[in-house]
Amino acid sequence: GDSVTQMEGPVTLSEEAFLTINCTYTATGYPSLFWYVQYPGEGLQLLLKATKADDKGSNKGFEATYRKETTSFHLEKGSVQVSDSAVYFCALSDRTGANNLFFGTGTRLTVIP
Amino acid sequence: DGGITQSPKYLFRKEGQNVTLSCEQNLNHDAMYWYRQDPGQGLRLIYYSHIVNDFQKGDIAEGYSVSREKKESFPLTVTSAQKNPTAFYLCASTTGGAPNTEAFFGQGTRLTVV
Repeated sequence: GDSVTQMEGPVTLSEEAFLTINCTYTATGYPSLFWYVQYPGEGLQLLLKATKADDKGSNKGFEATYRKETTSFHLEKGSVQVSDSAVYFCALSDRTGANNLFFGTGTRLTVIP
Repeated sequence: DGGITQSPKYLFRKEGQNVTLSCEQNLNHDAMYWYRQDPGQGLRLIYYSHIVNDFQKGDIAEGYSVSREKKESFPLTVTSAQKNPTAFYLCASTTGGAPNTEAFFGQGTRLTVV
C-alpha cells in the first residue's frame, strides 16, 4: 500500500543554516506530494505541493522537487529563520485506494538565534 | 471565508464519559478525516468519510465513533471504551476525487481526561 517515510527529528539548526528534511514515498499510482507545516497548538497548513514528476513546489523560501526515479520529495531551505521552527509533515495523495491521503510521522525543527 | 472549524478548542472529560468533538466545513468538500496526534508523534487516522452517510475505519478506530449525516459535518465521539483518549484531535477535509488538491485542517481540539 501507499506510505510516506520521513526523516526523524528533532532537527536543531542555527539561524541562516541550510535545511534538508528527507522524504521518500511508496505509491501504487501517480500521487501528488505535499509538505505541511504545524505551528505549536495549531492544525496543519499547506507549505508547498507538486503534482507530477520533476515539478518543483516552492513557498516562503522552501523548495521540494518531485523525483519519481528516487521516489523522493525532500524539503530544503537555504537559510532558516527562528520563525521556521515548527513540525513539518510530508504527505501524498493518490487516486487509488479507499483512503487516498497519507502522512509521514513529522519532523520537528528548532531554529536557534 | 471558506474553511474548516473544530470546536471546542479545549475539552475535559471525566473517566467513563462520552464526549463529541465537532468538525464543520464550508468548502463543499466530499471527503473528511479525523486524526489523533499524541505529543511528539505524527498523525494517526481514526475515521474517514468520502461521501455523506458513508464512513470507514482508519488505523485506530477502536473506542471512537462518527457520523456523516450532512456533507458539512463530521462529528467524532470519543466513547468510554477509549482507554487513553488524552490527545490532540485534528479534522481535515479534501475534495476527495482530486489528488492534486491539498487537505485543509481545523485548528484542533485538545482533549484531556481528568
